[in-house]
Amino acid sequence: DTEVTQTPKHLVMGMTNKKSLKCEQHMGHRAMYWYKQKAKKPPELMFVYSYEKLSINESVPSRFSPECPNSSLLNLHLHALQPEDSALYLCASSQGLAQDTEAFFGQGTRLTVV
Amino acid sequence: GESVGLHLPTLSVQEGDNSIINCAYSNSASDYFIWYKQESGKGPQFIIDIRSNMDKRQGQRVTVLLNKTVKHLSLQIAATQPGDSAVYFCARPLGGYNKLIFGAGTRLAVHP
Repeated sequence: DTEVTQTPKHLVMGMTNKKSLKCEQHMGHRAMYWYKQKAKKPPELMFVYSYEKLSINESVPSRFSPECPNSSLLNLHLHALQPEDSALYLCASSQGLAQDTEAFFGQGTRLTVV
Repeated sequence: GESVGLHLPTLSVQEGDNSIINCAYSNSASDYFIWYKQESGKGPQFIIDIRSNMDKRQGQRVTVLLNKTVKHLSLQIAATQPGDSAVYFCARPLGGYNKLIFGAGTRLAVHP
């Protein structure tokens, strides 16, 4: 199993809503990541978790709240988002944090904030 | 600073031709590079990687060349097929946390 599974695939939410994005992997990877990708742009890192602890927060606004409940799951809680937060949110995982370990990406959640 | 950039935003090729996608980098400390393919509506998919102690690496129909003198790498796809149509990103990890920095991306369009 080399899959990173993200749910939902699509999400439309209002600016006052609270929603969560979910990511799951069963490859035994101990590093998990959230990336944000705007249309026609490359992915940009948001958060890195290593062994279920937050290692990097790339100055992401607090309306995005990550959570790693266990080594297989990664959540991104969303609250009071803005229309400019509409993007493809990608989850990735890797065996560790060494720079030459392959990162596996999920299919992403396409988020639209209205 | 740390950056990975691409020369061309769009590349159109005929089916069966070879494709070459280029990427430049600015930091000579780069020691590991990765090419990703992203099809419409999907996440990036690993294609091939190369370390700085290598000049060339081959995979199935793909070859990556690394020229450290001019800080340039390229992805060559042989006998390009319609299924190769996608956006291709070069990327490299930065720092100690496997943080990937992606180039701007090149869209490859394969025409019959």
